[in-house]
Amino acid sequence: QSVLTQPPSVSGAPGQRVTISCTGSSSNIGANYDVHWYQQLPGTAPKLLIYVNYNRPSGVPDRFSGSKSGTSASLAITGLQAEDEADYYCQSYDSSLSGRGVFGTGTKVTVL
Amino acid sequence: EVQLVESGGGLVQPGGSLRLSCAASGFTFSNYWMTWVRQAPGKGLEWVANIKEDGSEKYYVDSVKGRFTVSRDNAKNSLYLQMNSLRAEDTAVYYCARGTLYCRGATCHHYFDYWGEGSLVTVSS
Repeated sequence: QSVLTQPPSVSGAPGQRVTISCTGSSSNIGANYDVHWYQQLPGTAPKLLIYVNYNRPSGVPDRFSGSKSGTSASLAITGLQAEDEADYYCQSYDSSLSGRGVFGTGTKVTVL
Repeated sequence: EVQLVESGGGLVQPGGSLRLSCAASGFTFSNYWMTWVRQAPGKGLEWVANIKEDGSEKYYVDSVKGRFTVSRDNAKNSLYLQMNSLRAEDTAVYYCARGTLYCRGATCHHYFDYWGEGSLVTVSS
């Protein structure tokens, strides 16, 4: 079981805004460890979507944005598109894991 | 162009062994931490192991400690995962990923900016 909890699923109509939460604790996100987000399209490898809380790699549309506050982080997708239907994972570190990373439980985004 | 290509997966019986390889190209391999991440069928991502640029530090998830060994050959631009005493619960797609280092104050960690396509390991009799 992961120390980072995400909702199993979120959905929205094309053009809408959806948000995915990543809830941690005082030993990970709350301990000022940064959060990164990955998108996994069906049948493919994960792809870096957001790094260090809110930064987008080159080529990632600005429809995707990240934020972090307290012991949680969020990924927002505005102007939802059909090609955004995928699984999304947050990733951080935990002070109890000594050099080992941890992924969130994952969220399936469905475009209605 | 950065490329990571895994190989070595397959079907193995419980208790058996397998060695995964990850061939890297398009970047200076010896400058990066490397990580193995796995994904069981229909499940989420699980961080498995990582190794420092020069191989001097290695970390493992508790469930594979003592059974898996991560190593690298910087002369061959290759990452390896030796998996022994395999169990059914090790069945997964195994990805290698490049870790890009960032630091906040005195604390440094990684995010995974490039991933391979994965190699399927099936442990079954």
